[in-house]
Formats: sequence, C-alpha cells, structure tokens
Amino acid sequence: DGGITQSPKYLFRKEGQNVTLSCEQNLNHDAMYWYRQDPGQGLRLIYYSQIVNDFQKGDIAEGYSVSREKKESFPLTVTSAQKNPTAFYLCASSPEPGQYNEQFFGPGTRLTVL
Amino acid sequence: AQSVTQLGSHVSVSEGALVLLRCNYSSSVPPYLFWYVQYPNQGLQLLLKYTTGATLVKGINGFEAEFKKSETSFHLTKPSAHMSDAAEYFCAVIQAGGYNKLIFGAGTRLAVHP
Repeated sequence: DGGITQSPKYLFRKEGQNVTLSCEQNLNHDAMYWYRQDPGQGLRLIYYSQIVNDFQKGDIAEGYSVSREKKESFPLTVTSAQKNPTAFYLCASSPEPGQYNEQFFGPGTRLTVL
Repeated sequence: AQSVTQLGSHVSVSEGALVLLRCNYSSSVPPYLFWYVQYPNQGLQLLLKYTTGATLVKGINGFEAEFKKSETSFHLTKPSAHMSDAAEYFCAVIQAGGYNKLIFGAGTRLAVHP
C-alpha cells in the first residue's frame, strides 16, 4: 500500500540533545513538508521541499534542519537550539507542488523533552 | 496575506444531530479550500476539497461543504452526527503564488454525545 510512514511514533529527548525524525513516502510525490502541531494552534510549517536536493524554510524553521537526498525521504532534525521542541510533528507530501494538490499526511511523531 | 478562521474551538452535538463547523477565509485570489479530520494521535485525513466548479462539495463519511464567495465561507456540515465523528477538524486554504503552502485554521474539536 502507498503511504507515508513516520518513525518513531513517540520520542523522548533530554534537553541539549539533537534528535532526528524519520519521514518516508512511497507515493512518488515530488513535494514533502514538515509541520509542527501544538494544542489550539493548528499546524505550522517548518520546512518544505519541492524536489530532491532542494528545500526551503517555512514559518518556524529556527532550531530545525532537514535534508532531501532521496525523493522518498525527508528527515527532520530537532536541534538543541529549538527552545520548546515538545510537540506533535507531522510529515506530508503532495504531487506536483505547483498544481494546488492536497497534501497527504503521515501518522505523526510525538516528541517530548524531559 | 491569506488566513483561515474557524469559529468555535469546541463544538458538542448529540448523536443524530446536525453537525456544523464554521470556516471563514481571507484570500485575494480564488481560493483552493480543504477540510481535514484528525483522530487522536494520528495524522490528518482529507475530508473534501474545493478547487473550481460546483460550490457544494461532497466528501467522505457523509460530510459536505459549501463554498460561498460572497461570505468568504466554507462551512462543513453533516446531517446526522455519529459517535465516530468525534475528532478535530481543520479548515485550510492554499496560499497563492507558490509551493502549495497550506494555511490552516486553529481547528475545531467535535464531541458527539449519546
């Protein structure tokens, strides 16, 4: 079955540590996105990538980094510079980013900083 | 800049009652509008979308939404609520001019009581 997988589902991190969240898709989509979700705030865009080896900052990129070395993979690293990283992180993808297509979402990773 | 406002962060209905979730948007260009549903600790699933054409859009699980340009609204309705409809619902608009960026509302949590 085609879809988006995110791992792990739950992640615990000590303050000062970097962690990497995985996102893989087998939908052959060109564009991929990372969102952060906090209660009562909807989803906010962290980074997006329209094509392999290219990505751009979203609205809240500070303290995060990404890579896009393969079409199907778009990992997100939460660095120690992120002041308040505890949140639910969602990865999404869409075909042909210029065509106003809907985005397809993964199941999410809940990150908790201890 | 485009934005989305969802009126009511929490809505409660009885099983079998009408569901009405409100969404208003601001956009300087013809909008592309979406409703997504999120069950606890899961990703977002597309309910329905409006791009062009018929202003009454039917989606999954018996939901529908009507695009009203004069009111800049895209309210979500379902004639008869079911217990399984309890979830959080997000309205979103695509930002014109680029990379398929979705602008989300803050979400409405729907509770269904027996």
